[in-house]
Amino acid sequence: QKEVEQNSGPLSVPEGAIASLNCTYSDRGSQSFFWYRQYSGKSPELIMSIYSNGDKEDGRFTAQLNKASQYVSLLIRDSQPSDSATYLCAVSTGGFKTIFGAGTRLFVKA
Amino acid sequence: SQTIHQWPATLVQPVGSPLSLECTVEGTSNPNLYWYRQAAGRGLQLLFYSVGIGQISSEVPQNLSASRPQDRQFILSSKKLLLSDSGFYLCAWSEGTSGGREQFFGPGTRLTVL
Repeated sequence: QKEVEQNSGPLSVPEGAIASLNCTYSDRGSQSFFWYRQYSGKSPELIMSIYSNGDKEDGRFTAQLNKASQYVSLLIRDSQPSDSATYLCAVSTGGFKTIFGAGTRLFVKA
Repeated sequence: SQTIHQWPATLVQPVGSPLSLECTVEGTSNPNLYWYRQAAGRGLQLLFYSVGIGQISSEVPQNLSASRPQDRQFILSSKKLLLSDSGFYLCAWSEGTSGGREQFFGPGTRLTVL
């Protein structure tokens, strides 16, 4: 069964620090990788997508992909209390099914 | 810009009652549409997806069904709800006729079955 694994957390970091969120996936044929942020009681919001090995930066967010290790991560620089949420990793093999991890809860302490 | 709507926002239903949740998308044509369920503290479970009008793929056998009567309308239904149907139901859309694209979620419907 194709899986996406994330540490459930909570991950607690002080304000201004770098938060590092990690995700591993089982299907070597995976082609598309996404990070979503979900505030409590709300729906997931897409924050990053990455399709090739390496780093992709968008503002304070950097997604990193290593297909050989089947590993994708999200770095949040200068973490703010408003970044406190659950972060979902999602992986697609290019078909219509996207597999979501259960998410990592992040707490940013002021 | 694209907008996705879901209603109702919250719903409390007795066991055995019927269900109809509606999702509509604005600002795009021929989207791929998806229904997910998220149980408390869990990940997203794909229930159904649709690549066009009348085309429904079911991912999990259960007492739910889906229909797509119009290009930008997606409906989730049940004839008789079970306690296990409680959860957060999310509709999502993605562009194009291929998969592997970003999905964008609606606000969700929180269903409680008593």
